[in-house]
Amino acid sequence: AQTVTQSQPEMSVQEAETVTLSCTYDTSESDYYLFWYKQPPSRQMILVIRQEAYKQQNATENRFSVNFQKAAKSFSLKISDSQLGDAAMYFCAYRAGTASKLTFGTGTRLQVTL
Amino acid sequence: NAGVTQTPKFQVLKTGQSMTLQCAQDMNHEYMSWYRQDPGMGLRLIHYSVGAGITDQGEVPNGYNVSRSTTEDFPLRLLSAAPSQTSVYFCASSRPGTGDGYTFGSGTRLTVV
Repeated sequence: AQTVTQSQPEMSVQEAETVTLSCTYDTSESDYYLFWYKQPPSRQMILVIRQEAYKQQNATENRFSVNFQKAAKSFSLKISDSQLGDAAMYFCAYRAGTASKLTFGTGTRLQVTL
Repeated sequence: NAGVTQTPKFQVLKTGQSMTLQCAQDMNHEYMSWYRQDPGMGLRLIHYSVGAGITDQGEVPNGYNVSRSTTEDFPLRLLSAAPSQTSVYFCASSRPGTGDGYTFGSGTRLTVV
């Protein structure tokens, strides 16, 4: 079974600084997708960024980028120029290529301080 | 474009009561899922469906039933509520075979007393 591990329950970053959230996963599949979701206090789950395993190039979305290390099964999220609105729970998630199920890590709570 | 609509947003139940959490999506997604979110445990899959008439169990199915009579709707039934079912519940939907992330509803906070 696939597993997703987020080893940092909480992280803190100062406004305008850069922070990296860690995620590792375990799978025997070769075709899969990885995601980072943001959950602000509103509770809404918001897709931040998506990575296709067959693409070597790391995905980027504005201030959000990933470091995808396929051999190491690592998928970290880097937030640049952190803003107060980035404060949220962040979940890493995995989906096998043709599967319907999404597997989540336990989440990292990010605090952004002035 | 409503996306995924969950009702109710909040609910308090007494132990032993039953209820149905409603979920509807208007994106013609074939895949739908129910998750529960508990502190320190992330989101865990309860039941999922790959199309109308097809459902299957996820990681934590005990105490819950689902059905999928239409593509749009995927209700979750609590048969006899227990305090251990106090949680936040999310419904989500996705297209099949595209690697898309799921689109989530806004969640239901359920308290069982």
